[in-house]
Amino acid sequence: NAGVTQTPKFQVLKTGQSMTLQCAQDMNHEYMSWYRQDPGMGLRLIHYSVGAGITDQGEVPNGYNVSRSTTEDFPLRLLSAAPSQTSVYFCASRLASSGRAYEQYFGPGTRLTVT
Amino acid sequence: AQSVAQPEDQVNVAEGNPLTVKCTYSVSGNPYLFWYVQYPNRGLQFLLKYITGDNLVKGSYGFEAEFNKSQTSFHLKKPSALVSDSALYFCAVRGGRTGANNLFFGTGTRLTVIP
Repeated sequence: NAGVTQTPKFQVLKTGQSMTLQCAQDMNHEYMSWYRQDPGMGLRLIHYSVGAGITDQGEVPNGYNVSRSTTEDFPLRLLSAAPSQTSVYFCASRLASSGRAYEQYFGPGTRLTVT
Repeated sequence: AQSVAQPEDQVNVAEGNPLTVKCTYSVSGNPYLFWYVQYPNRGLQFLLKYITGDNLVKGSYGFEAEFNKSQTSFHLKKPSALVSDSALYFCAVRGGRTGANNLFFGTGTRLTVIP
C-alpha cells in the first residue's frame, strides 16, 4: 500500500491565484481530513469528510473548499490564495470504527508559500 | 470543549537518560488521548493511545504513556532516550470544537536527544 499520498510537495503561489492540493489514500478509509501546520500552533483542522459525498468544516475553513467524490480522493482547493495561507498542509485518513479508530495516517505534506 | 496542552515547547535530554514529554487535558466525559510523532520533513505518525483500561499504555519505538485522571495528565515517557528519538511530539484528544469525529492537537513539543 502507498498509504496517504499528497501532491505537490512544494508550491509557490502569488496572492490571488488558485490551486488544488491533491490527496489520495489506498487503505479504504472512510474518514479523511486536511490540516494546516503553523509554528507554535500545532495542527489545525481545515475540512474533513466522513465518506464519499459528505464533507464538513473544521476549525479554520475560510478560504478553502473540499469535495469527496470517491473514497480514495480528497482534494483541497484554495480559492484565492493569501499570504496568511502560507503553511504546511497535511492530509490524513483513518477508519471510521474498529479497534484502530482515531489512529490517523498522515501524508508527507505540501509546503505552500504565498507571496 | 475538549482540549490538550503541552506546556513545554522544547525538551532536551542526554542519550541514555529517561525522557518525559508532558501533556495535560481538559475533557468532559471519558477522554480518548493520543500521542503522535513527526520526524523532520515527514507527516505525523501514530505512537500510542489511551481509551480505557490500564493507565500505562505501551506504544511504538519503546514509548509509553501514563494516564493520570486525578492530575488530568497523559505524559509520554521512555526509559532510555536515543538520538533517533529527536522529533516533534504532539498530544491529541478526541473531540474539541469540531466534534467527536476529529482530534484536537496540542501545539507540539520538540524533543532533542543530545549524544
